[in-house]
Amino acid sequence: AQSVAQPEDQVNVAEGNPLTVKCTYSVSGNPYLFWYVQYPNRGLQFLLKYITGDNLVKGSYGFEAEFNKSQTSFHLKKPSALVSDSALYFCAVRDRFSGTYKYIFGTGTRLKVLA
Amino acid sequence: GAVVSQHPSWVICKSGTSVKIECRSLDFQATTMFWYRQFPKQSLMLMATSNEGSKATYEQGVEKDKFLINHASLTLSTLTVTSAHPEDSSFYICSASPSPSSYEQYFGPGTRLTVT
Repeated sequence: AQSVAQPEDQVNVAEGNPLTVKCTYSVSGNPYLFWYVQYPNRGLQFLLKYITGDNLVKGSYGFEAEFNKSQTSFHLKKPSALVSDSALYFCAVRDRFSGTYKYIFGTGTRLKVLA
Repeated sequence: GAVVSQHPSWVICKSGTSVKIECRSLDFQATTMFWYRQFPKQSLMLMATSNEGSKATYEQGVEKDKFLINHASLTLSTLTVTSAHPEDSSFYICSASPSPSSYEQYFGPGTRLTVT
């Protein structure tokens, strides 16, 4: 079965410091991986995706993620955190084999950037 | 581009009544739409997948007679919570995909349902 794990419920980082939000996955074959951000009482906003190609993926708002096949990880990173980055972050893998193209989401990581 | 709207953004209803939530893709045609439910401080739980013109596919444990999904056009899907109860109170989010081969899903802003 395909799954996504976000081992940290919450990550705290000081403004201006680099941030990392962790994600590991378990899939059969090559994964399609995504990061989304959710602000309070809002839907999810797309940040970036990995489908194929370069392992370092750059996305919206200065975020990037590195696909590491050997470690089955897809950690989200940003060189310098902003207070406005405080939100809930979800990692997701797209189910490639059920025929429904549905996402499997991680449990989410709450990022808190401290001023 | 790729904007998905939901209406209403929040709704309060009495126990036993039905509530309809609309999900619209505003600037693209969505062959597939997904309905999720999110409890406070929890992840999204996929409820069902709907394809335009066909019956929705429900996830295990989701009552299809309680959560009626209709995807009548390429830009509109509706979720009707029938005979709502307080335990149905939740945040409902839809997403849309332009085609089965499209990698991204585009999410609506969500609908907060409170059943009293």
